[in-house]
Amino acid sequence: DAMVIQNPRYQVTQFGKPVTLSCSQTLNHNVMYWYQQKSSQAPKLLFHYYDKDFNNEADTPDNFQSRRPNTSFCFLDIRSPGLGDAAMYLCATSRRLEETQYFGPGTRLLVL
Amino acid sequence: AQTVTQSQPEMSVQEAETVTLSCTYDTSESDYYLFWYKQPPSRQMILVIRQEAYKQQNATENRFSVNFQKAAKSFSLKISDSQLGDAAMYFCAYRMTDNTDKLIFGTGTRLQVFP
Repeated sequence: DAMVIQNPRYQVTQFGKPVTLSCSQTLNHNVMYWYQQKSSQAPKLLFHYYDKDFNNEADTPDNFQSRRPNTSFCFLDIRSPGLGDAAMYLCATSRRLEETQYFGPGTRLLVL
Repeated sequence: AQTVTQSQPEMSVQEAETVTLSCTYDTSESDYYLFWYKQPPSRQMILVIRQEAYKQQNATENRFSVNFQKAAKSFSLKISDSQLGDAAMYFCAYRMTDNTDKLIFGTGTRLQVFP
C-alpha cells in the first residue's frame, strides 16, 4: 500500500546532540510537510517543500533544518536539540493544490 | 489571519450513541476546504471527512457526517453509532484554496467512548 513512513518511531537524544528524523513516501506526492506536535496540542507546521522549493514558516527556529534529496525522501535535522524540542514530529504529504494531506505515524523525540 | 477554534477539549459518549464535536473558524475567504482528522493514541493521524466550502451539501462518510454552516462559520462533526475504536483526538482543520498548501488546525477534542 502507498504510504508515508517515518523512521525512527522513537528517538532519544542528548541535549545539544544533533539528530535527524526521516520521512519517505510512496505516494509520489510533490509536497512534503514537517509538523511539530507537543503533548495535547495541535500540530504546528515547521516547513514544507513543493518539489525542491523550500518554504519555511516565519516562527520556525533556526535550530530546525530540512533536506529533500528527491521526491520520496525528506529529512528533519535538529542541530542542537533543547529540552523544549521534545515532541512528536509528523511528516505529511499531498499533491500540489490538492486538499488532503496524508500523515505518517510520527517520530517521538525525547531530549535528555 | 484564519483561525480554527474547537471549544470542547474533551467529550465522552457511550457506545452506540451519537456525539457531536464542534468547530468554528474565522476567514474572509469565500472558497476553502475544511477537514476533520482523527488521531488515536500513539497512532497515525488519518482523514475522517472533508468539506468543500462551495458545496452546500454536507459531507458524509459512513457513520461520520458534518453540519457545515458557512454563514455561521461552523463545521461540526457528528459520529453516529459510536464505537470503542472511535476514541481518539479529533482535529478540525482549514485550508485555503490558494497556493499556500497549508492546513490550520484547531486545538483538538479528545473523545472518550465508554462501553
